[in-house]
Amino acid sequence: GESVGLHLPTLSVQEGDNSIINCAYSNSASDYFIWYKQESGKGPQFIIDIRSNMDKRQGQRVTVLLNKTVKHLSLQIAATQPGDSAVYFCAETERDAGGTSYGKLTFGQGTILTVHP
Amino acid sequence: GAVVSQHPSRVICKSGTSVKIECRSLDFQATTMFWYRQFPKKSLMLMATSNEGSKATYEQGVEKDKFLINHASLTLSTLTVTSAHPEDSSFYICSATPREGRIEQYFGPGTRLTVT
Repeated sequence: GESVGLHLPTLSVQEGDNSIINCAYSNSASDYFIWYKQESGKGPQFIIDIRSNMDKRQGQRVTVLLNKTVKHLSLQIAATQPGDSAVYFCAETERDAGGTSYGKLTFGQGTILTVHP
Repeated sequence: GAVVSQHPSRVICKSGTSVKIECRSLDFQATTMFWYRQFPKKSLMLMATSNEGSKATYEQGVEKDKFLINHASLTLSTLTVTSAHPEDSSFYICSATPREGRIEQYFGPGTRLTVT
């Protein structure tokens, strides 16, 4: 199947800076995207999601931007904190052939975010 | 709400033995559960999709006779790694969705398997 990939495998920032994590996808049929945070030795934790009919969605300190023209997704973290240090994955899915439900998630390769105090 | 647990969190077994990993949805009924495998510093790779009361659907390249999945109830799915080998050492993560076809997947904390 088509894959979801990331531009940057590692990102190092200072505490208080804003972080931007990028993700490229190739499946033009993808219509739902999710960002997950995974801390060492733990399972992924939902951060924020966005549907393909939107180009921006904001949460608490996080913003996801979707550019369907170039098949690009980004996660912006404002005022990054040491507790934000983790691996961040984007994931995508699409509706099934019947259009009534969603199929499996496909994960990108991940970006390691390190926040220095 | 929407808590998923896994047991054990860590397991060490000898080569040739089998090991069972449990995945439980604690506060919701999961019609669908997913099993992922993750190598160090790598992404999650879907192994199989498990629906309650039916056979699991395995991804291409995943041996169904080696990775036995049972989803006997709406709150429990098990993954049994049979005749384990050192190359089966990995981090195994399950997730569960509350309703069929829904997007939301709630992930368990993972199980670290080491085969010696």
